Amino acid sequence: SQELEQSPQSLIVQEGKNLTINCTSSKTLYGLYWYKQKYGEGLIFLMMLQKGGEEKSHEKITAKLDEKKQQSSLHITASQPSHAGIYLCGADIIQGAQKLVFGQGTRLTINP
Amino acid sequence: DAGITQSPRHKVTETGTPVTLRCHQTENHRYMYWYRQDPGHGLRLIHYSYGVKDTDKGEVSDGYSVSRSKTEDFLLTLESATSSQTSVYFCAITGTGRLGRELFFGEGSRLTVL
Repeated sequence: SQELEQSPQSLIVQEGKNLTINCTSSKTLYGLYWYKQKYGEGLIFLMMLQKGGEEKSHEKITAKLDEKKQQSSLHITASQPSHAGIYLCGADIIQGAQKLVFGQGTRLTINP
Repeated sequence: DAGITQSPRHKVTETGTPVTLRCHQTENHRYMYWYRQDPGHGLRLIHYSYGVKDTDKGEVSDGYSVSRSKTEDFLLTLESATSSQTSVYFCAITGTGRLGRELFFGEGSRLTVL
């Protein structure tokens, strides 16, 4: 099993709807990254969170790291076709080691 | 843009042959990583390096070895490729240099083992 669990693994939403993707670990997360990947392409950096309770937004995407630093959520407001792709969370699970592991990804489809 | 390149970008080989993938960076970053990406598994860490000649195993290191003799190069070797190693391989770098702690990825190397 992977150190980071993402849910759901697959998500289909109607264009314009809001959605949330979760990333959970049984261990403390030191440095939490969110990436997006278009099918068959490279990875696009979205955001990095480090402090418990931290929240960052970019355009219609908001990411938050909970106070215990064991769960992060990625929220997309008013989804658009351009949001479609695979979303990956990654984190350093050993403080200071920079051993960065990733979840299994969430495949997002936006229906018009 | 981060200066990170992977080579080759595509390779087809036969079972039992050795394969080496190269990751080259121009950012002088300390940390370098090799991941493989397979459907349903996201990115899985194979090996990573925290300095010249300093490497450690990741989640799926069996069948792979790495070397880092210079800061800028991190090599991933499959001593005897198997069909289960057919995958897309990504190199990544991070550190505290010009680009900060953001994790930057290469474009990926698609390996097919027949």
